[in-house]
Amino acid sequence: EAGVAQSPRYKIIEKRQSVAFWCNPISGHATLYWYQQILGQGPKLLIQFQNNGVVDDSQLPKDRFSAERLKGVDSTLKIQPAKLEDSAVYLCASSLGSNYPTNEQFFGPGTRLTVL
Amino acid sequence: DAKTTQPNSMESNEEEPVHLPCNHSTISGTDYIHWYRQLPSQGPEYVIHGLTSNVNNRMASLAIAEDRKSSTLILHRATLRDAAVYYCILRNAGNMLTFGGGTRLMVKP
Repeated sequence: EAGVAQSPRYKIIEKRQSVAFWCNPISGHATLYWYQQILGQGPKLLIQFQNNGVVDDSQLPKDRFSAERLKGVDSTLKIQPAKLEDSAVYLCASSLGSNYPTNEQFFGPGTRLTVL
Repeated sequence: DAKTTQPNSMESNEEEPVHLPCNHSTISGTDYIHWYRQLPSQGPEYVIHGLTSNVNNRMASLAIAEDRKSSTLILHRATLRDAAVYYCILRNAGNMLTFGGGTRLMVKP
């Protein structure tokens, strides 16, 4: 079974530039998550989708971050414009859905963003 | 959200058991206790979860205190491949995971 795919794996940009990350979840997984992990910290949830609807985006800095999951499958996360403090690993995860007891989240390898 | 408290780091010798503690004194009755681990340069991976009873799977065991205010992840025989950051997380009804700082486990050969 293929895992969660993310691209690119690494990205270096200058502050004030724009960047987009792509995620393809495991087939059949209804729920998709984007996390931000700053070096030395645990992942922080940015946004959670159930199919193509947003369940929670309370920690998404909406003035510069946006995310979409138009067809309920793959998703993109965009930052515009980037700031130095956005340097982090951006992790995508997916799960079957909240009705499942375990609802194990499967994580992709992440995209490491460096903002100069 | 209910929070968890874990030691920042722990050391273990290879082939010996490891007990990773977690305190969650403000846990609610509907919170599941989940453990994930993150190997270097990888995304987190699920290890085990429980509600009230102790649990075993192929990776580890989870011992939950009777009052549910603490739990312990048990790796029965640590290997070098178990060196990772281990996160103890309370999963609420909304299914969101709130990660803390975790415990960095170092395994010595």
